[in-house]
Amino acid sequence: EDQVTQSPEALRLQEGESSSLNCSYTVSGLRGLFWYRQDPGKGPEFLFTLYSAGEEKEKERLKATLTKKESFLHITAPKPEDSATYLCAVQSYSGGGADGLTFGKGTHLIIQP
Amino acid sequence: SQTIHQWPATLVQPVGSPLSLECTVEGTSNPNLYWYRQAAGRGLQLLFYSVGIGQISSEVPQNLSASRPQDRQFILSSKKLLLSDSGFYLCAWRRRENSPLHFGNGTRLTVT
Repeated sequence: EDQVTQSPEALRLQEGESSSLNCSYTVSGLRGLFWYRQDPGKGPEFLFTLYSAGEEKEKERLKATLTKKESFLHITAPKPEDSATYLCAVQSYSGGGADGLTFGKGTHLIIQP
Repeated sequence: SQTIHQWPATLVQPVGSPLSLECTVEGTSNPNLYWYRQAAGRGLQLLFYSVGIGQISSEVPQNLSASRPQDRQFILSSKKLLLSDSGFYLCAWRRRENSPLHFGNGTRLTVT
């Protein structure tokens, strides 16, 4: 069974204070790892897909990296509008692939001005 | 561009009442469709997925059912709601296996 563990559960930063969110995973063959951002009362918004160890993706102040056991979402000089819950999800080779993603519980990020 | 519509946004229903949540996707054909439930502290739980009209796979035995009467329409139903059915229900689609899921804005269901 695929498992995804995100840490920390919650993180409070000052504006401009860079940090990283962690996503550890256990899968029977990784097909893809996905990062989402979720604002309160809204559906998750897709950010990145990573497919192989060593891959990196960037978007504005966010950079996602992938190793064989975990992924990091690095936030550089965050702003208050980066406050949200960040979700990590994996797709494995088990189940044929059509059966959706397995999600972690998320990291609730608060950026204080 | 593709868009996904989900309604209603909020719903309060008494125990034992029926449920029907609807989701439609625009701008694509033959999408894979999904229903997830998000409970506080528990993350997103996959409930049902569909790879085509009339094809439904269930991930978790429960009081709910799903149907796909048209290519881009996905419906979540219950004949009799339980208190434990309360939660945030999310519909999602994707073009093919291993591509990102794209979510609707969800339905907040409260069963009283």
